[in-house]
Amino acid sequence: QVTLKESGPGILQPSQTLSLTCSFSGFSLSTYGMCVGWIRQSSGKGLEWLANIWWNDDKYYNPSLKNRLTISKDTSNNQAFLKITNMDTADTATYYCARSSGGLGFAYWGQGTLVTVSS
Amino acid sequence: DVQMTQSPSNLAASPGESVSINCKASKSISKYLAWYQQKPGKANKLLIYSGSTLQSGTPSRFSGSGSGTDFTLTIRNLEPEDFGLYYCQQHNEYPYTFGAGTKLELK
Repeated sequence: QVTLKESGPGILQPSQTLSLTCSFSGFSLSTYGMCVGWIRQSSGKGLEWLANIWWNDDKYYNPSLKNRLTISKDTSNNQAFLKITNMDTADTATYYCARSSGGLGFAYWGQGTLVTVSS
Repeated sequence: DVQMTQSPSNLAASPGESVSINCKASKSISKYLAWYQQKPGKANKLLIYSGSTLQSGTPSRFSGSGSGTDFTLTIRNLEPEDFGLYYCQQHNEYPYTFGAGTKLELK
């Protein structure tokens, strides 16, 4: 059974760095073709893909967030991470991690973690 | 980036009816389009990938069609649990992009 769960600080101030953790079970990110992605959704708005990390450590980022994103993984502990620097109120959103196999859509999603940026 | 234009934004239907949701890509994405269902309190659900391939567990009343730039999600014989938000997403190239969503409501 594949499960994913996001964790984060809940609230942070503008200009701070957001650190998110995706803890998963039921698969290994060292298995060929596996990928974990991060997607966010602002209140009442649509979904925005942020980054992917693959089993072979290939990483892809949404250029709209320029150089603010860093994705990484800890295969031994079944976790993936996302850091976003210089957070702004516009980054307030629910952040999801999700698993893809072979790049064929995100078949498994976490429930999401709400991150609020406020001074 | 590939822009995904999803229509309609809102759709009202009754159980038993059939509905279609469209997604248009700003350039060809071959067959690589996914459809998701989003409902409050539940994890997002992948329904279809690669345009027409049903994800395991997706009921057969869901179908996807299209290639290139134009895609359609059709739901036949709507069930009460089908009402919610639907999103398309292209998985042909980075950055992945989503449509703005379609809210399927009970008439």
